[in-house]
Amino acid sequence: GAGVSQSPRYKVAKRGQDVALRCDPISGHVSLFWYQQALGQGPEFLTYFQNEAQLDKSGLPSDRFFAERPEGSVSTLKIQRTQQEDSAVYLCASSLDVGSNQPQHFGDGTRLSIL
Amino acid sequence: AQTVTQSQPEMSVQEAETVTLSCTYDTSESDYYLFWYKQPPSRQMILVIRQEAYKQQNATENRFSVNFQKAAKSFSLKISDSQLGDAAMYFCAYRQGYGGATNKLIFGTGTLLAVQP
Repeated sequence: GAGVSQSPRYKVAKRGQDVALRCDPISGHVSLFWYQQALGQGPEFLTYFQNEAQLDKSGLPSDRFFAERPEGSVSTLKIQRTQQEDSAVYLCASSLDVGSNQPQHFGDGTRLSIL
Repeated sequence: AQTVTQSQPEMSVQEAETVTLSCTYDTSESDYYLFWYKQPPSRQMILVIRQEAYKQQNATENRFSVNFQKAAKSFSLKISDSQLGDAAMYFCAYRQGYGGATNKLIFGTGTLLAVQP
């Protein structure tokens, strides 16, 4: 596709439910990033993939958060046993290469609301 | 750890006028990149301009330019001839240079820019 695609655009879940958020990066992009953006704040880094390898997961707030990119393309961010503090916009970004100044291209995000 | 600070939560500018958004950062690295991103209500983060730390010349993209002061660790964005479509949240962001493990972006808290007709 022409850009980074994220689905769903909105997700409402009850506290305690599991959710899965999908990211389709730009075709051919090696690097994939997930960010969490709380209301009125800047995005904060969650995790990074280079192809299928998860090289950095230092930003994941707890072991309830899990991300995968099994074939080096589509990525899924899963949150288990959701809590109200998980409510945020989750942004996915991809970039062409590693170790260069290639810009990160962002999707429209998924707004997650936990009731 | 690197940090990015935007001290102006909100700014307002008249259409066709010029506005400057401030950003400061803290790092012990010598090789890094700085970015300004625009986020309209649609939420998609759009790259406005970027600056390589090793370049002394300030970056310019049409009506957008930066004032990069490396010693002061300051990176302000100037928008000339402001247009209604410039209204958005603007984020300053830092990324470690080549050799950084992740290339992750570190964002400031943003400045909400309003453009008055």
